[in-house]
Amino acid sequence: GAVVSQHPSWVICKSGTSVKIECRSLDFQATTMFWYRQFPKQSLMLMATSNEGSKATYEQGVEKDKFLINHASLTLSTLTVTSAHPEDSSFYICSAPPGTGEEKLFFGSGTQLSVL
Amino acid sequence: GQNIDQPTEMTATEGAIVQINCTYQTSGFNGLFWYQQHAGEAPTFLSYNVLDGLEEKGRFSSFLSRSKGYSYLLLKELQMKDSASYLCAVTGAGSYQLTFGKGTKLSVIP
Repeated sequence: GAVVSQHPSWVICKSGTSVKIECRSLDFQATTMFWYRQFPKQSLMLMATSNEGSKATYEQGVEKDKFLINHASLTLSTLTVTSAHPEDSSFYICSAPPGTGEEKLFFGSGTQLSVL
Repeated sequence: GQNIDQPTEMTATEGAIVQINCTYQTSGFNGLFWYQQHAGEAPTFLSYNVLDGLEEKGRFSSFLSRSKGYSYLLLKELQMKDSASYLCAVTGAGSYQLTFGKGTKLSVIP
């Protein structure tokens, strides 16, 4: 089945630094990828929709200048958390539809970000 | 907008049957998903319902009533490894975007 590879799995960084998270579709082309954030004991909240070759669409309340999304190819989308702060510590996860007409999404393995 | 409700926590005994309910109010509806998520891991797909009725897949079954805005996930012959969060999610018409409920944390006890 379709596989979405996400890395790093976890990252610890100092406050004020930037962190890049990559999400790759391994055996299919993903024109669209979704980026979610999940705080402890909370559900997944959609942050933005990444579209290949065009600007991402951000959900209300998500700062586009802080969470930079790039979807430069049909197999790669990146999320960069700029000037990270402790409140950005969360589980970030990407997902993509397989493009085969299947309705379900395939998820990356997630990235646990801890900002000190 | 979308509003999805499911119980926060449930406990059940190994070998038993448990039903996790989900109700939703949405401005547009295409289908309803159930995902399983272990702590610190990505969600894994369990089921997808578009039409009313029961879909059975091994030990897991999912039911949907579109008119009532209601779904449930039924887990039979519970195993310890079924301890996880179960997420109900809906998609809007013509969209792959999923809106998740807050999840139900299921604890299976011996």
